[in-house]
Amino acid sequence: DVKVTQSSRYLVKRTGEKVFLECVQDMDHENMFWYRQDPGLGLRLIYFSYDVKMKEKGDIPEGYSVSREKKERFSLILESASTNQTSMYLCASVSGGAVGTGELFFGEGSRLTVL
Amino acid sequence: DAKTTQPTSMDCAEGRAANLPCNHSTISGNEYVYWYRQIHSQGPQYIIHGLKNNETNEMASLIITEDRKSSTLILPHATLRDTAVYYCIVTGNTPLVFGKGTRLSVIA
Repeated sequence: DVKVTQSSRYLVKRTGEKVFLECVQDMDHENMFWYRQDPGLGLRLIYFSYDVKMKEKGDIPEGYSVSREKKERFSLILESASTNQTSMYLCASVSGGAVGTGELFFGEGSRLTVL
Repeated sequence: DAKTTQPTSMDCAEGRAANLPCNHSTISGNEYVYWYRQIHSQGPQYIIHGLKNNETNEMASLIITEDRKSSTLILPHATLRDTAVYYCIVTGNTPLVFGKGTRLSVIA
């Protein structure tokens, strides 16, 4: 079975902490994405990457950074967590050269609570 | 990317066909129509996609109008497990933008 695995399903962190959300895919996909999902707002794109060491800002990159050192791994970093970053975070990947085409595979999500 | 318009919610009786509409009147020639669904507490799942021809797979059928300004996702025999939020997305070569989708409730 093809898989996108997110390291933690549930996390609780304190304001100001540095938070790492890890995502690993086993499909040799070039493109990887981080979304956040909030009630009433749907899924919003934070960052994406179309190759190792490459990254592009999505619609809401403020307060986040990313790292893609290996093809299979895409990390989302909250340098100093704030309460408004409490959310469900979803990682996804897709093969191919065009980041918008093809079947997007999602992980199960990481629910982050910042106190 | 072209924007899409979907009804906020729909109900469907178990065993009946569920027809989920989507308007995408500003779609351009090289943009595809994608459908995903999200069951509560899970990541979205790909269902089907198409460019201009109708498509069918084991999960659903996608009917795209000739002018490509709208489409309909058909679940031929809805079950309780099809209760989910369904997203219609139009995209060329940019990352998928998920709107709010249609919440489908399948009722026994």
